[in-house]
Amino acid sequence: AQTVTQSQPEMSVQEAETVTLSCTYDTSESDYYLFWYKQPPSRQMILVIRQEAYKQQNATENRFSVNFQKAAKSFSLKISDSQLGDAAMYFCAYRAGQGGSEKLVFGKGTKLTVNP
Amino acid sequence: DTGVSQNPRHKITKRGQNVTFRCDPISEHNRLYWYRQTLGQGPEFLTYFQNEAQLEKSRLLSDRFSAERPKGSFSTLEIQRTEQGDSAMYLCASSLGFSGGYGYTFGSGTRLTVV
Repeated sequence: AQTVTQSQPEMSVQEAETVTLSCTYDTSESDYYLFWYKQPPSRQMILVIRQEAYKQQNATENRFSVNFQKAAKSFSLKISDSQLGDAAMYFCAYRAGQGGSEKLVFGKGTKLTVNP
Repeated sequence: DTGVSQNPRHKITKRGQNVTFRCDPISEHNRLYWYRQTLGQGPEFLTYFQNEAQLEKSRLLSDRFSAERPKGSFSTLEIQRTEQGDSAMYLCASSLGFSGGYGYTFGSGTRLTVV
């Protein structure tokens, strides 16, 4: 069974600085997708960034980028120029490739605090 | 379309009672998912529908849990004989086809408290 591990229950960063959230996963599949989701307090889960396992190039979305190390099964999220609105729970998630299980497997999350 | 809608937002029930939650997905989305999120944890997959067919179920979905999507539109999740351990946020999500994770839209959830 696939597992996703986030080893940092809480992280904090100063506004305008950079922070990296860690995620490791375990799978025997070769085709899969990895995601970072953001869940603000009492609000819905939204997709931050997505990585396809067969792509070696790391995904980027504006201030958000990932460091995808397939052999090490590591998928960290870097947030640059942190803003107060980035404060939220961040979840790393795994999904099998097409034809595999439909479920997303989530880590336990990292609570990010942004200090002004 | 205003996204995935879940009702009610909050539900408090006494242990042993039955509860039912509703999820209205984005109208053109044919795939619908239910997840459960307990305090301090990430969401855990419960079940998945493609149109009206329930195609995948987690072992977390015990005999007391049942989900339906009768006409391939809205879905209901019923919990019978609720237990305190059922207290959690129940999340619904929907998507259109296999999008590799894109277009996977979550609702705001129904928070269940069993007293």
